[in-house]
Amino acid sequence: EDKVVQSPLSLVVHEGDTVTLNCSYEVTNFRSLLWYKQEKKAPTFLFMLTSSGIEKKSGRLSSILDKKELFSILNITATQTGDSAIYLCAVRYLRGAQKLVFGQGTRLTINP
Amino acid sequence: DAGITQSPRHKVTETGTPVTLRCHQTENHRYMYWYRQDPGHGLRLIHYSYGVKDTDKGEVSDGYSVSRSKTEDFLLTLESATSSQTSVYFCAISESEQETQYFGPGTRLLVL
Repeated sequence: EDKVVQSPLSLVVHEGDTVTLNCSYEVTNFRSLLWYKQEKKAPTFLFMLTSSGIEKKSGRLSSILDKKELFSILNITATQTGDSAIYLCAVRYLRGAQKLVFGQGTRLTINP
Repeated sequence: DAGITQSPRHKVTETGTPVTLRCHQTENHRYMYWYRQDPGHGLRLIHYSYGVKDTDKGEVSDGYSVSRSKTEDFLLTLESATSSQTSVYFCAISESEQETQYFGPGTRLLVL
């Protein structure tokens, strides 16, 4: 069964801390891994990763993929209260057509 | 933001009644998707469409049907709603199956 597991499920930190969110996967015919941020509305796209070892960066957020060990991490440095959200990891795989399978999400809370 | 709207945004209905949710896009994207989001399960694919009148099932398609008669509209129908279909429903679009999926604002459905 294709699955994506995120850890931790919940994380509470103080403003200014650095956090690392984890996503591991077991899928056949892997194509890419995506990270989304979800506040009290629709998920918004952060990154798409297809190659191992190449870091994607956007401001204080960065992500990297390890296709050998089948995981990805999302780092957020100098966290702010606006980073509070659910972070979703999704893996695109090929079975017939290409589909996405999502992890459960990590709920991140940044306290001032 | 991608031009995606969903209607209604909130709905309360009774068990056994039919319900239709609408997703409308202004991006002329070929692919459209319906997901449901439940605590502990993340986002799960219900059905998707790869063109007008071309649809296929996702991982949780039982009890749901879809139709796509125009590029811009993708309808999700619950023929006879059950309490287990209480959920938040998200529509997503993408230009191709390899491209990023962008999400609509969601519809919160409560089946009593």
